[in-house]
Amino acid sequence: DTEVTQTPKHLVMGMTNKKSLKCEQHMGHRAMYWYKQKAKKPPELMFVYSYEKLSINESVPSRFSPECPNSSLLNLHLHALQPEDSALYLCASSPLAQQRIRFFGSGTQLSVL
Amino acid sequence: AQSVTQPDIHITVSEGASLELRCNYSYGATPYLFWYVQSPGQGLQLLLKYFSGDTLVQGIKGFEAEFKRSQSSFNLRKPSVHWSDAAEYFCAVAHNAGKSTFGDGTTLTVKP
Repeated sequence: DTEVTQTPKHLVMGMTNKKSLKCEQHMGHRAMYWYKQKAKKPPELMFVYSYEKLSINESVPSRFSPECPNSSLLNLHLHALQPEDSALYLCASSPLAQQRIRFFGSGTQLSVL
Repeated sequence: AQSVTQPDIHITVSEGASLELRCNYSYGATPYLFWYVQSPGQGLQLLLKYFSGDTLVQGIKGFEAEFKRSQSSFNLRKPSVHWSDAAEYFCAVAHNAGKSTFGDGTTLTVKP
């Protein structure tokens, strides 16, 4: 399995909702990432997990809460989002031997109403 | 500070024509350079990378890139473009294991 799988592919939520994005990889990668990407823009790093521990938080608002329950799974919990949070949310992973490389999932297209 | 510049926001080429996408970087040490491709609504796919050694690197889908330290460039090339190559292309530099800096991207349109 050489894929990073993200679910759901599309999500529409209201500003008072709580939802979660899920990311899974079975490549044995021990570094996992969340990125936010606006249309026609490059991805922006949000969080980095290394060995299931949060190692980088790019000053992301607390309405985004990451979780790494095990080495294969990464979640992003969403609560009280704003319309400007609408974007493509990408998960990525890296092998230990080449942590500068990113293997990206297809993303979750999020719309906040 | 690290930076990546992709001077061309949008490029249009005819199918079968050659392609060159430009990338310039600013980085204090030896750069780790990448090209990624993104089709609409999809994630980014790694095309190729340069870490060290031969300055001409081959990637997937018939792409290649040449690292030129003197020009701080890492341009992407393909000798003959296919309609399926239409996508967004991002150049990136990885300055440590956790972070990468991406360029703003170049949108490639392929004319039939």
